[in-house]
Parts: sequence; structure tokens; C-alpha cells
Amino acid sequence: AQSVTQLGSHVSVSEGALVLLRCNYSSSVPPYLFWYVQYPNQGLQLLLKYTTGATLVKGINGFEAEFKKSETSFHLTKPSAHMSDAAEYFCAVLSGGYQKVTFGTGTKLQVIP
Amino acid sequence: EAGVTQFPSHSVIEKGQTVTLRCDPISGHDNLYWYRRVMGKEIKFLLHFVKESKQDESGMPNNRFLAERTGGTYSTLKVQPAELEDSGVYFCASSQDVGGSGNTIYFGEGSWLTVV
Repeated sequence: AQSVTQLGSHVSVSEGALVLLRCNYSSSVPPYLFWYVQYPNQGLQLLLKYTTGATLVKGINGFEAEFKKSETSFHLTKPSAHMSDAAEYFCAVLSGGYQKVTFGTGTKLQVIP
Repeated sequence: EAGVTQFPSHSVIEKGQTVTLRCDPISGHDNLYWYRRVMGKEIKFLLHFVKESKQDESGMPNNRFLAERTGGTYSTLKVQPAELEDSGVYFCASSQDVGGSGNTIYFGEGSWLTVV
């Protein structure tokens, strides 16, 4: 079975500060990894994904994530937080014969003015 | 191009009643998934259709939940009878191809169910 662990259910950053949301995964096969974001009262939106190739993946809204196999990590970063980044972020891994997405428990990001 | 659409967006029903949630996947997507998030917990997989066939229904909590996808287009998820613990957000998702190609799975806005 594959699983995802997100460290920190709540993260607060000041506007303009670095955003770092942590994600570690377990997988017996090369994983496909995703970050999704859910804004208040909205659905899940794909931020970025890693499949193969370049380990640094750039997504929408200035976010990026780096796949580190040796650390089994896929942390999400953004150099400068904006108020509009306040949302809940989910790390996910594609598993089960690559047909089923398994989610982490989510991290709520608060951006302080 | 329309995304994954779900109906209703919000529903409040009494314990013991029946609710049917509908999902229209992106046109041409053979794969359709149902997920739910209960009481702020993690998003849990319910089941996966490939066209009209149930590929994996290992996440269905019990026999009060029935999912169908007649004709391989839209899908319905019926909860009968609803219990308080069924309250949460039910997400539908779809993707184009099966297999390990890292296909993107697109999610809908969710159906927010409250059982009182």
C-alpha cells in the first residue's frame, strides 16, 4: 500500500514570506505525486504534478515542488506568500496500479498580513 | 471545455432519508472516481469506474452506499438511508486513460452533504 504524510495540519506564514509545506510518501514503485489546493467552499484544483523526468516541478500561482527519492519527499514551496494563497493543500500519490489517488491529511495555510 | 460537474452542490437531509448525488465527468474520460471527506478528515477513495464497470469499490463504507454509471457517462451515488456520519464533502473526479502514465485526475467542486 502507498501512503502520504503531510507534516503540520496548520501552517501560518507572513505575507511575502517563504511557504514550505511538507509531504513524505511511501511507495514500493516509482510514484506519481501531486499537490492539490482547495480554496474555501471550492473544489480541488491541481497545483502541480510529478511523473517522470525533471525532479523540480513548477505549478500554477508560483508554486513548485521537488521530488527527492532519497528522502521520499515532495515538499511544496513558494518564495513569497500572498494573501490569496490561504487555502488547504493536499499532497497525493497515484497508486493501486496507477488508478487510485491516495491523499494526505491536508495542510491549512494561513497567510498573515 | 467543461470540467467535472457535480449536483447538488449542497444538500441538507434528515437522518434516514435518501440522497442521490450526480457527477458528470469531463467528456471522453473513461475513468470516474468518487471520494469523500468527512468531518475535516482526509480525503478517502470510495470507488472507481472504468466506463460503466466498477473497477475498484474497496472504499465504499457499507451497503447504504450505491454507485452507478449506466452507459458509461454520468454517475450517481445514492446514500440510503443516510446517517449522521455520512455528512461531508463528496468529490467526483475523472481522467482520460487507464495506466501508469501519470494522467491528471480532475476533480469537481464537490457535493456538500449535511445529515441532521
